[in-house]
Amino acid sequence: AQTVTQSQPEMSVQEAETVTLSCTYDTSESDYYLFWYKQPPSRQMILVIRQEAYKQQNATENRFSVNFQKAAKSFSLKISDSQLGDAAMYFCAYRVGGSNYKLTFGKGTLLTVNP
Amino acid sequence: NAGVMQNPRHLVRRRGQEARLRCSPMKGHSHVYWYRQLPEEGLKFMVYLQKENIIDESGMPKERFSAEFPKEGPSILRIQQVVRGDSAAYFCASSPTVGQVLANEKLFFGSGTQLSVL
Repeated sequence: AQTVTQSQPEMSVQEAETVTLSCTYDTSESDYYLFWYKQPPSRQMILVIRQEAYKQQNATENRFSVNFQKAAKSFSLKISDSQLGDAAMYFCAYRVGGSNYKLTFGKGTLLTVNP
Repeated sequence: NAGVMQNPRHLVRRRGQEARLRCSPMKGHSHVYWYRQLPEEGLKFMVYLQKENIIDESGMPKERFSAEFPKEGPSILRIQQVVRGDSAAYFCASSPTVGQVLANEKLFFGSGTQLSVL
């Protein structure tokens, strides 16, 4: 069974600084996708960034980037130039490739941004 | 262009009552997924439906829980005889089909229904 582990229940960062959120996963599949979702106090799940396992290049979306280490099964999220609006719960998620639809989520990391 | 709409946002029930949670997918989306988020946990898959069909209910508890997605109207997640352990946030997500391909990477979530059982 696939599992996703987020070892940091809480993290904090000063505004304008950089923070890295950790995620590890366990799978025997070779084709899969990894995601980071943001859940602000409004509770809506917002996709931040996505990585295909077959791509060696790390995904980047503006201030958000990932460090995907496939052999180590590690998928960390780096937030640069942190903003107050980045404060939220962040979930790492995994999905097997192909037509599979089930997402497996980690327990989340609560990020606080200090002004 | 409304997103995935869930209602109610908060639902309070006493033990033994029924809870009905509604989800209207994004316009043009014909695939609906329900997830449950227990306190201090990540979201867990419950069920996947297409119009008038349950495709996969492997994450649903065997008793008291049911889901439907009728030809007309929203998808409904029904919990009968609720217990305190059912207290959780229930999320609905939807995705489109592009041709014959399930574009499930384009997954959109609603804001969830927080169910509290007294």
